[in-house]
Amino acid sequence: DIQMTQSPSSLSASVGDRVTITCRASQGIRNNLAWLQQKPGRAPKSLIYAASTLHSGVPSRISGSGSGTDFTLTITNLQPEDFATYYCQQYDLYPLTFGGGTKVEIK
Amino acid sequence: QVQLQESGPGLVKPSQTLSLTCNVSGGSITSGGYFWTWIRQPPGKGLEWVGYIHFTGITYYNPSLKSRLNILLDMSENQFSLKLSSVTAADTGVYYCARDASGRVDPWGQGTLVTVSP
Repeated sequence: DIQMTQSPSSLSASVGDRVTITCRASQGIRNNLAWLQQKPGRAPKSLIYAASTLHSGVPSRISGSGSGTDFTLTITNLQPEDFATYYCQQYDLYPLTFGGGTKVEIK
Repeated sequence: QVQLQESGPGLVKPSQTLSLTCNVSGGSITSGGYFWTWIRQPPGKGLEWVGYIHFTGITYYNPSLKSRLNILLDMSENQFSLKLSSVTAADTGVYYCARDASGRVDPWGQGTLVTVSP
């Protein structure tokens, strides 16, 4: 299975900050990477696919980049609704695998 | 707009079989190109892909669960289901059904909590 390693596992930030989350795959996955957002008690919501393509309705302050084994999710001008847990997910090979998650908390 | 909704018992005894159903609305489960998927999340932990079924009957299961898992399709009801046998406390968690388009998982159901306990 492809292992996905996210860092950091948690971070504290303030409204208006810029945050960056990284995700590393144990082998090359081309750009077959998605980013998901999950709020407490809710199902995950898809934000980005193909490493950098935003799902419909996702604000442009959220962006993704990377290819191969190293990927980044960046949120600029952090808003109150952005405080959540973020997961990366590879879909280059089955079984699909997820990173361990990054919890973005209010400072 | 496709929507998915899980249903099933919230409590299962150890060694028994966990059975869940996912009802698909707003679209047909026989639409080509999609895999109908189960993903689970233990309490306070991350996400684990369980497996999928295609409307042709093709299935693919997580190797860690393969010996205990069965995913079935009911085209007449536009539903698919999960059966996981010989459950233990480690199978406790929220189970999500979702639609997978070549690995891109969207949309998701709201999830259902299943607790394995005597």
